[in-house]
Amino acid sequence: AQSVTQPDIHITVSEGASLELRCNYSYGATPYLFWYVQSPGQGLQLLLKYFSGDTLVQGIKGFEAEFKRSQSSFNLRKPSVHWSDAAEYFCAVGDSGYALNFGKGTSLLVTP
Amino acid sequence: EAGVAQSPRYKIIEKRQSVAFWCNPISGHATLYWYQQILGQGPKLLIQFQNNGVVDDSQLPKDRFSAERLKGVDSTLKIQPAKLEDSAVYLCASSLIGSGNTIYFGEGSWLTVV
Repeated sequence: AQSVTQPDIHITVSEGASLELRCNYSYGATPYLFWYVQSPGQGLQLLLKYFSGDTLVQGIKGFEAEFKRSQSSFNLRKPSVHWSDAAEYFCAVGDSGYALNFGKGTSLLVTP
Repeated sequence: EAGVAQSPRYKIIEKRQSVAFWCNPISGHATLYWYQQILGQGPKLLIQFQNNGVVDDSQLPKDRFSAERLKGVDSTLKIQPAKLEDSAVYLCASSLIGSGNTIYFGEGSWLTVV
């Protein structure tokens, strides 16, 4: 069965600093991988997705993620964090035609 | 392009009462999902429809939850009777068939059971 682990429940970074959010997945074949962001009181917004091909994926808002099959990881990165990036971030794994399995999320706090 | 619409946005009910949530997916999206998100957790799939047929409802508590998607468009999720542990955000989402499973979410319906 597919599963996702986000090891960090909370992360605090200073504005302007770089960010890396970790995601590890468990899946037998090549997975479809996603990162979503959720601001307070809002639904989930897709940041980026990986289906196949180039393992470095660019997303919206300056985010990128790298698929590493050998490590079963799909970590999200941003070179310089803005205060507006404070939110909950969810990694998810799926398969064509089936629903996504989400991790428990990482809460990002950005300090001045 | 209009997104996934949900209503009501907020609902407070007493335990043992009933509640219904409505969802209108993105036009043309054949697949519709209902997720439950409890505070501090990731979304959990309750039910997945393709057109008006059920693909997966293995995690739907069928003794109290029901969902339907008449005519393959709008969907309704009902809880009866509600329990305190049903307090959560109910997220509706939709996707195209064969789109590589990119799922688009609505803003959610927030339920508080007191």
